[in-house]
Amino acid sequence: QVQLQESGPGLLKPSETLSLTCTVSGGSITNYYWAWIRQSAGKGLEWMGRVYSSGSTTYNPSLQSRVSMSAETSKNRVSLRLESVTAEDTAVYYCARGPRREFLPRWYDTWGQGILVTVSS
Amino acid sequence: QSALTQPASVSGSPGQSITISCGVTGSDFDPDTFVSWYQQHPGKAPKLIIYDVNIRPSGVSDRFSGSKSASTASLTISGLQAVDEALYFCSSYTNKIVLFGGGTRLTVL
Repeated sequence: QVQLQESGPGLLKPSETLSLTCTVSGGSITNYYWAWIRQSAGKGLEWMGRVYSSGSTTYNPSLQSRVSMSAETSKNRVSLRLESVTAEDTAVYYCARGPRREFLPRWYDTWGQGILVTVSS
Repeated sequence: QSALTQPASVSGSPGQSITISCGVTGSDFDPDTFVSWYQQHPGKAPKLIIYDVNIRPSGVSDRFSGSKSASTASLTISGLQAVDEALYFCSSYTNKIVLFGGGTRLTVL
């Protein structure tokens, strides 16, 4: 059974860069889409973007200028970077697995437990 | 950019059926839009319960069903149970971009 585990700093100061890693166990990241999705306290979900195992990416237009994602098949993990964070970026960050490449990346069937990232001075 | 709209809350009694709607602000759904639904219990990650409008992943109860018209996607839960009390999100995939609705809190009375 595939399991996803997010890791990274839980506390950042404004203007810093958020860096998170999603380590996948029980399966390979190869040939799958992987997304980062965040959820602010008491609010809905925000799709941040996705990365395919080959490294190709698609980002949410609202975050395009600050976000980047990557995939490392050798380490079976995907990563997220979000630059110039503000308090508005405080949220639980989830990584999630999309379908295999033969499908459009239109659903996410496996999620990590999420990691809370707080941005505060 | 379009947004998905959902009612903030719905409620129902055990055994009843409820429907949660999901619409696109200012327009109808693009015919090529794919809709999925997620269930989230407190403190847990979202769980995929419907994809491609009306397909249930393996292991998801057949009490959950989905549908879509030109203007609205819907999730219906029949035979309501206490365990169904959760937050429900609709999601759309159009032109390579994924959107999520604001979520609907289901209360089982």
